[in-house]
Amino acid sequence: GAGVSQSPSNKVTEKGKDVELRCDPISGHTALYWYRQSLGQGLEFLIYFQGNSAPDKSGLPSDRFSAERTGGSVSTLTIQRTQQEDSAVYLCASSQLTSAYNEQFFGPGTRLTVL
Amino acid sequence: DQQVKQNSPSLSVQEGRISILNCDYTNSMFDYFLWYKKYPAEGPTFLISISSIKDKNEDGRFTVFLNKSAKHLSLHIVPSQPGDSAVYFCAASDTAGSYQLTFGKGTKLSVIP
Repeated sequence: GAGVSQSPSNKVTEKGKDVELRCDPISGHTALYWYRQSLGQGLEFLIYFQGNSAPDKSGLPSDRFSAERTGGSVSTLTIQRTQQEDSAVYLCASSQLTSAYNEQFFGPGTRLTVL
Repeated sequence: DQQVKQNSPSLSVQEGRISILNCDYTNSMFDYFLWYKKYPAEGPTFLISISSIKDKNEDGRFTVFLNKSAKHLSLHIVPSQPGDSAVYFCAASDTAGSYQLTFGKGTKLSVIP
């Protein structure tokens, strides 16, 4: 009965390094979303998974960003060659797709700081 | 270009009074609207939603009003309680397209005891 979990909760890295962020959605939720929130901004959509496929990657800011989902469950968001502007809180959400009108349940986020 | 706008970054209200949080949108394809509440260091929590076929939805102390012609929605909290102090995000979705949500920048509500 757990909610969406994300790890790590905080990540500090040096510019140029790669990072991997993990999301465990609510069991049984077929849809998974990644968003990020930069300081003083709203949540910005990154990518959406339905099962293991990603029908909408329109929000990924550059080719340094990629994401995958395996087994219709866990997802990882990878940022290669991190830049300071990648610093943000990265939020994962999941939902059931029984109808188009579905609420998304969010995890606590991963705060990424790129030095 | 912001498609969902929350023009008030902050709002202070006395306990027991009404809190009104406003949200405007520009994309006429949006047909589903949600409000989320966020405490520090936590993810957003769903509060209430409304589809474009309705103009009002009520859940306990929370009511959302939708004015499609004005592309405006508002969240009313009555009576406001200190535990309501949080950042409130308005979000919108075009359910015929992707399932992504487009969020406003949020309004920080402070309910003063």
